[in-house]
Amino acid sequence: KQEVTQIPAALSVPEGENLVLNCSFTDSAIYNLQWFRQDPGKGLTSLLLIQSSQREQTSGRLNASLDKSSGRSTLYIAASQPGDSATYLCAVTSGGYNKLIFGAGTRLAVHP
Amino acid sequence: DAGITQSPRYKITETGRQVTLMCHQTWSHSYMFWYRQDLGHGLRLIYYSAAADITDKGEVPDGYVVSRSKTENFPLTLESATRSQTSVYFCASSTSGNTEAFFGQGTRLTVV
Repeated sequence: KQEVTQIPAALSVPEGENLVLNCSFTDSAIYNLQWFRQDPGKGLTSLLLIQSSQREQTSGRLNASLDKSSGRSTLYIAASQPGDSATYLCAVTSGGYNKLIFGAGTRLAVHP
Repeated sequence: DAGITQSPRYKITETGRQVTLMCHQTWSHSYMFWYRQDLGHGLRLIYYSAAADITDKGEVPDGYVVSRSKTENFPLTLESATRSQTSVYFCASSTSGNTEAFFGQGTRLTVV
């Protein structure tokens, strides 16, 4: 059974720092991996999607990498800002039909 | 561009009552999903649909019923609500089985 783990569970940093959030999964037979952001009381916002054949994706200050063979993905946030404060969720699709299996998330706080 | 909308946003119901949560998407996405989010369990898949009139169970389907007579709508019905079904429910959609998933704002359901 696929399991997704995110480390750390929580992170508090000063503004301007570069951050790395980690995601690992137990079964390397995935179709894709997606990173989401969730603000308190809100829905999930898609940040980046990496297909299983890709190694990384970039969007603005965000860069996500995927190492399928080792079952790992990292989300790199450059020059963090207070507006980046949120919970970041990693999810993988395995078994087809785009059924997502989520990690528990990393709660990020960026303070001025 | 309305995207994907859920209604109601908040609902309180009594044990044993039937309640339906609505999900509507304007993108004509083929795939639609229902997830529930609970502290300690994260996000878990309840049901999914690959197209109109095609639905299947996810990880936690017991006590729930879905239908999909039209591509744009995917209602979730709790046949006889229980306190364990108190949760935040998220609807999502994607164009295919291997593409980016987009989420609604969620419905917070409390069963008393």
